[in-house]
Amino acid sequence: GESVGLHLPTLSVQEGDNSIINCAYSNSASDYFIWYKQESGKGPQFIIDIRSNMDKRQGQRVTVLLNKTVKHLSLQIAATQPGDSAVYFCAEIRGNTPLVFGKGTRLSVIA
Amino acid sequence: NAGVTQTPKFQVLKTGQSMTLQCAQDMNHNSMYWYRQDPGMGLRLIYYSASEGTTDKGEVPNGYNVSRLNKREFSLRLESAAPSQTSVYFCASSEMDRSVYEQYFGPGTRLTVT
Repeated sequence: GESVGLHLPTLSVQEGDNSIINCAYSNSASDYFIWYKQESGKGPQFIIDIRSNMDKRQGQRVTVLLNKTVKHLSLQIAATQPGDSAVYFCAEIRGNTPLVFGKGTRLSVIA
Repeated sequence: NAGVTQTPKFQVLKTGQSMTLQCAQDMNHNSMYWYRQDPGMGLRLIYYSASEGTTDKGEVPNGYNVSRLNKREFSLRLESAAPSQTSVYFCASSEMDRSVYEQYFGPGTRLTVT
């Protein structure tokens, strides 16, 4: 079935470097995407969202890019910090149905 | 605001036992959700309630029942627990308006069924 997936299950980056976490989706009807961060032992926390009529959206130290041609979503974290270590999930919304989550990418920041 | 609260935080059950996981939100949200998260997996939706008085099945509803007790509370019941239901359970809430989809999650309940 159609699903949201992630290219890499783990990502290790040096503190201060930029991180890029990728996500592929297969349903071209999806109209809204969200990135969540989940720290160990906690529930997921909203980071940033983007609508399908946008290509890019920026937040504080984070940028989400959406490429609808290849159905690809990425989360860029600038100047990665130890506190960014977590599992990152992308999720999509299709119409009025609830979120569909991908499996997640674990980001490890090396001090 | 406490946000989304869940009780209990941890629970161990024997196969066949029943229990209810409680969830409450104080953000006046219309929609509430129950997810399960297994090791190395994303969150999978069990049931959701788009508004008070309604409930709908998600991706993995078998073995569970839910009750939207009022706007604040949404409980998840396991009638006869099975080892396959060992998981971390998250409750979430959202406005469910098309312009606002952010879900707020509780801290989770870690359930082990032996």
